[in-house]
Amino acid sequence: EDQVTQSPEALRLQEGESSSLNCSYTVSGLRGLFWYRQDPGKGPEFLFTLYSAGEEKEKERLKATLTKKESFLHITAPKPEDSATYLCAVQVNTDKLIFGTGTRLQVFP
Amino acid sequence: GAGVSQSPSNKVTEKGKDVELRCDPISGHTALYWYRQSLGQGLEFLIYFQGNSAPDKSGLPSDRFSAERTGGSVSTLTIQRTQQEDSAVYLCASSLVRGYTFGSGTRLTVV
Repeated sequence: EDQVTQSPEALRLQEGESSSLNCSYTVSGLRGLFWYRQDPGKGPEFLFTLYSAGEEKEKERLKATLTKKESFLHITAPKPEDSATYLCAVQVNTDKLIFGTGTRLQVFP
Repeated sequence: GAGVSQSPSNKVTEKGKDVELRCDPISGHTALYWYRQSLGQGLEFLIYFQGNSAPDKSGLPSDRFSAERTGGSVSTLTIQRTQQEDSAVYLCASSLVRGYTFGSGTRLTVV
């Protein structure tokens, strides 16, 4: 069965304290791995798509990387406005996405 | 419109009543998805429409749930005889090629 697991469930960081969020997956035939950011009361907002192992993408303080078994979302020198839930999802044989349960990130000044 | 629009944003209903949730996708997006997000849970796939193809209903949790998409655009998710376990945020997303754009969701509370 296709499965996506995110860790940690919650992460508290001091402003400027870099860290990484993990997304491990067990799927048959990965077509793409997606990262989304979700703020309270809002729908998920697209961040990155990764398609093959070794691929990396960056946006401001965020960098996403992909291996054959997992993806990392690295946050460099985070700011309080980076506080949100970060969701990972995989696309397999169809167009639907399978989501993990997310990592709730809190960044304190 | 510029984004995916969902209405209502909040809905409180009594157990046993029927509800309809509406989704207006981004103009020109051929694919439309419904997901459900319960407290502490990941997004759960419900149903997927792609162009004129038959919808993928494999995620609908029971026959009380149904959805339609009229004219390849607006979609309505209907829940009949609502139960308390139906309480959740219902998210709609649309897509053209790859990557979804989500709406802000409808928060459904069944009392």
